[in-house]
Amino acid sequence: KAGVTQTPRYLIKTRGQQVTLSCSPISGHRSVSWYQQTPGQGLQFLFEYFSETQRNKGNFPGRFSGRQFSNSRSEMNVSTLELGDSALYLCASRPVGNTEAFFGQGTRLTVV
Amino acid sequence: GQNIDQPTEMTATEGAIVQINCTYQTSGFNGLFWYQQHAGEAPTFLSYNVLDGLEEKGRFSSFLSRSKGYSYLLLKELQMKDSASYLCAAIYQLIWGAGTKLIIKP
Repeated sequence: KAGVTQTPRYLIKTRGQQVTLSCSPISGHRSVSWYQQTPGQGLQFLFEYFSETQRNKGNFPGRFSGRQFSNSRSEMNVSTLELGDSALYLCASRPVGNTEAFFGQGTRLTVV
Repeated sequence: GQNIDQPTEMTATEGAIVQINCTYQTSGFNGLFWYQQHAGEAPTFLSYNVLDGLEEKGRFSSFLSRSKGYSYLLLKELQMKDSASYLCAAIYQLIWGAGTKLIIKP
């Protein structure tokens, strides 16, 4: 079974630009969550999607948005990038129910 | 509010035992996860506690007390490869602790 796949693995953007990150969950998993990880803040929850609907949202500004498609693939978009958005962005998928989350390798975003 | 606390960093000696604590406050609670994350890699699942008590898995054990909002991860017979960050997460909205960086010394 293929794991969670995130693309791209690395990205460099300049301030003010926007970026879209992609996450393909494990086949059959309908829940996809997104996280931002920085050395100082640890793992911060962004949002969770389930069956194309945003089920939960963390405490991030409206510049961070996401969506989920009918095949459970998810995208995360960040507009008007700031230097502080430089981080590792991880997505995790889960099957139905409160079970373990499986993480992708992440997308390392650097904003210059 | 919803909050999870764990120590930022711990140091232990190869072959020894270490206990990493995690305290939580969440409005809803359906269990607690422990994950291991090596530098530059994705977190990987270690254990899951939904009922009070100890869950043992080889060298790793995890304990939960729901009444105290407290969990710990116990690592025995430490090996150099156990040097990593250990994250606890409360299941409801998957609220994560910031992680405990464990440094193993020979």
